[in-house]
Amino acid sequence: DTAVSQTPKYLVTQMGNDKSIKCEQNLGHDTMYWYKQDSKKFLKIMFSYNNKELIINETVPNRFSPKSPDKAHLNLHINSLELGDSAVYFCASRPTSGRDTQYFGPGTRLTVL
Amino acid sequence: KQEVTQIPAALSVPEGENLVLNCSFTDSAIYNLQWFRQDPGKGLTSLLLIQSSQREQTSGRLNASLDKSSGRSTLYIAASQPGDSATYLCAVGLSFGNEKLTFGTGTRLTIIP
Repeated sequence: DTAVSQTPKYLVTQMGNDKSIKCEQNLGHDTMYWYKQDSKKFLKIMFSYNNKELIINETVPNRFSPKSPDKAHLNLHINSLELGDSAVYFCASRPTSGRDTQYFGPGTRLTVL
Repeated sequence: KQEVTQIPAALSVPEGENLVLNCSFTDSAIYNLQWFRQDPGKGLTSLLLIQSSQREQTSGRLNASLDKSSGRSTLYIAASQPGDSATYLCAVGLSFGNEKLTFGTGTRLTIIP
């Protein structure tokens, strides 16, 4: 009965590789997000999608490309990985209407060597 | 640009004590303010959500207050327990609908048994 799930939980890869992180929510929410938490634990929004449309893009390098195949999924593809991309990436979702909070996934720890 | 600051960055208190965590934000034009808890290696769990029109919210031993005009919020934890040990994050929501959260720097709380 996991609400927001992410795969993989850990990802270790070499610099220059391309990788994807998947996110799925079974809450029926319209809006999904990707956040990045750096080594200093600072959490910052990267993208927001509403009904498969990009709403927020916080000046993230275009090596990062979110893809939303349907309302329940928001995947994050990263090209040409750099050392500075090492972080924990969190997916979140919330209903567009109403005043509910955001529900976060468990995070994906990406390590670029 | 909204900036959210949390003081102190770390706090250790003996079990059973009451404590207060502080959050300040620079732009008072917020839609809501939320307090989250993050356990090591885990995602975020929402604790309390205060709408901009509200002054406080309570849940069990937790009470969060909001003073928009001064740009401050506090999270009060009564009768602290070792299980309360975690990092507490404050986040302000900036717009209705496609809510964008700006997070604070977090307070790492340790309750000493």
